[in-house]
Amino acid sequence: NAGVTQTPKFRILKIGQSMTLQCAQDMNHNYMYWYRQDPGMGLKLIYYSVGAGITDKGEVPNGYNVSRSTTEDFPLRLELAAPSQTSVYFCASRPQGAVMETQYFGPGTRLLVL
Amino acid sequence: GDSVTQMEGPVTLSEEAFLTINCTYTATGYPSLFWYVQYPGEGLQLLLKATKADDKGSNKGFEATYRKETTSFHLEKGSVQVSDSAVYFCALSERTGNQFYFGTGTSLTVIP
Repeated sequence: NAGVTQTPKFRILKIGQSMTLQCAQDMNHNYMYWYRQDPGMGLKLIYYSVGAGITDKGEVPNGYNVSRSTTEDFPLRLELAAPSQTSVYFCASRPQGAVMETQYFGPGTRLLVL
Repeated sequence: GDSVTQMEGPVTLSEEAFLTINCTYTATGYPSLFWYVQYPGEGLQLLLKATKADDKGSNKGFEATYRKETTSFHLEKGSVQVSDSAVYFCALSERTGNQFYFGTGTSLTVIP
């Protein structure tokens, strides 16, 4: 298993540009998450999904959109990039089930908006 | 709402020193508690977990005990190594929910 994969690893965007951060998992997990991690801060939940076709907002959803057409993929869309979106973005997944289950994290995408 | 509060860093220790990183939580239900570790340039990895009061999670010499009476889950290690240098995050998840709540992270540097 590749686990959770994210692309790209690093990207520089100009203000107002748009892009999609890709996330895929091959573990057949129902739950998928997008977090952002600002310097010196903890992770903030942007959006999550409990299964294909179902998404919901997290703590900091403004400026982002998501879709979940398949179990495997959970892309994050930035429509009009702003400097405040400079951050490291982590995708995670976990299986539905017992409380002991935990999230598997991808390696992250570092985004710089100038 | 649910939240996690961690001691502020950064923390710098000499090799073989004792480590404690404090973590307290606020939760409406009966959460599971976790410690994650993030090594430079990598994603978060689960270090240990505890799912009910008085449980002790342990891994790689690290320990943390779920204390419901003090709503705490402090991370400890008796003798740190240079390879333990990383950022440590405390987190909780409600059993009836599907979200995780993370603390702000504590950066640990161990010097030889």
